Amino acid sequence: KNEVEQSPQNLTAQEGEFITINCSYSVGISALHWLQQHPGGGIVSLFMLSSGKKKHGRLIATINIQEKHSSLHITASHPRDSAVYICAAVFGNEKLTFGTGTRLTIIP
Amino acid sequence: DAGITQSPRHKVTETGTPVTLRCHQTENHRYMYWYRQDPGHGLRLIHYSYGVKDTDKGEVSDGYSVSRSKTEDFLLTLESATSSQTSVYFCAISRLAGTKAYEQYFGPGTRLTVT
Repeated sequence: KNEVEQSPQNLTAQEGEFITINCSYSVGISALHWLQQHPGGGIVSLFMLSSGKKKHGRLIATINIQEKHSSLHITASHPRDSAVYICAAVFGNEKLTFGTGTRLTIIP
Repeated sequence: DAGITQSPRHKVTETGTPVTLRCHQTENHRYMYWYRQDPGHGLRLIHYSYGVKDTDKGEVSDGYSVSRSKTEDFLLTLESATSSQTSVYFCAISRLAGTKAYEQYFGPGTRLTVT
């Protein structure tokens, strides 16, 4: 069965801390997406990756195909990073299977 | 934002009434999707479309139907709304990123409450 699991479900940290959100999936995938959703807001695509590592500003996404695992890192976290972060896997077609999300709260 | 709009943005309706949600895109994308988002479940695919008049079911399609008579519009219909269909509904499109990978872009969402 195609499954995606995220951890932790909730994460609270102080401003400036290094943040890691994890995503694991059950079988081989063709791509993995990281998405961001602010409270009451829409869903924004942060990264799509199929191997290695991508960086955009203070956000870094990595994927380990052999271990079926991806991580999203935020360096020098800021209160505006507070949001729900969602990973989603593509299991062989263009349809996404989503994790349940990680709610991140950054305290000033 | 890939030019995706949804209407209405908020709706309250009574059990048993029909409801239609509209997704409109301006960039002529072939693939369109309807998801629902519920606490504890994440986003789940209801139906998707790979072209005009070409649609298929997702994992939670019971109680929903879709139509796509024009490239730009993808309609989601609840034939007889039930309280279990209270949710936030998102439309999305796939857009080619690079040579062969697709990114999904989401509409702003429609909050539907069935009383």
